[in-house]
Amino acid sequence: QLQLQESGPGLVKPSETLSLTCTVSGGSISSSSYYWAWIRQPPGKGLEWIGNISYSGSTYYNPSLKSRVTISVDTSNNQFSLNLSSVTAADTAVYSCARGAGIDYYYMDAWGQGTTVTVSS
Amino acid sequence: DIQMTQSPSSLSASVGDRVSITCRASQTISTYLNWYQQRAGKAPELLIYAASTLQSGVPSRFSGGGSGTDFTLTISSLQPEDFATYFCQQSFSTPFTFGPGTKVDIK
Repeated sequence: QLQLQESGPGLVKPSETLSLTCTVSGGSISSSSYYWAWIRQPPGKGLEWIGNISYSGSTYYNPSLKSRVTISVDTSNNQFSLNLSSVTAADTAVYSCARGAGIDYYYMDAWGQGTTVTVSS
Repeated sequence: DIQMTQSPSSLSASVGDRVSITCRASQTISTYLNWYQQRAGKAPELLIYAASTLQSGVPSRFSGGGSGTDFTLTISSLQPEDFATYFCQQSFSTPFTFGPGTKVDIK
């Protein structure tokens, strides 16, 4: 059974870079059938799609974050990562990774539990 | 960006009740609509994709319908494990966007 697990610091200082890793187990991140996604949910707010990456490294980012986001994939370790630069308190959220699937219809069929990141000095 | 709204924002129901949740898109999205369930403290789970296709392993009491801008998630007979928050999400165009969620709790 596919499992995704987020890891990274729970506290990041303002203006610094938030870095998270998602480790995939029970399946290969190198499959051409899937994308790998990051989503976040600020406290008291809705879910926000951050972006996707394919196994080959093709990326799609939310324009609202595009200037600050980098998503990368490490096929040798079956992981993918999120870097979000110049963070502010508004970036405080639960960050989740997920697998994106589907050919004509895109959906996220497996999610990690999520990890809370607080931006504070 | 396509804005997604849901109604109601919360509802109280009893085991065995039939429950319906509505999701509306700010522009037409054909049937590019997914539904997710999130139990407290757990990761979201995909219930339905392409507006009406049940994800493998999801009980048949869940069903989805609609196209264009208006969509519905129906639970035909609410079970104790169904008390959770439900989100819709459009995959018609990026950035993919989610509804604010509907919390279903016990009456």
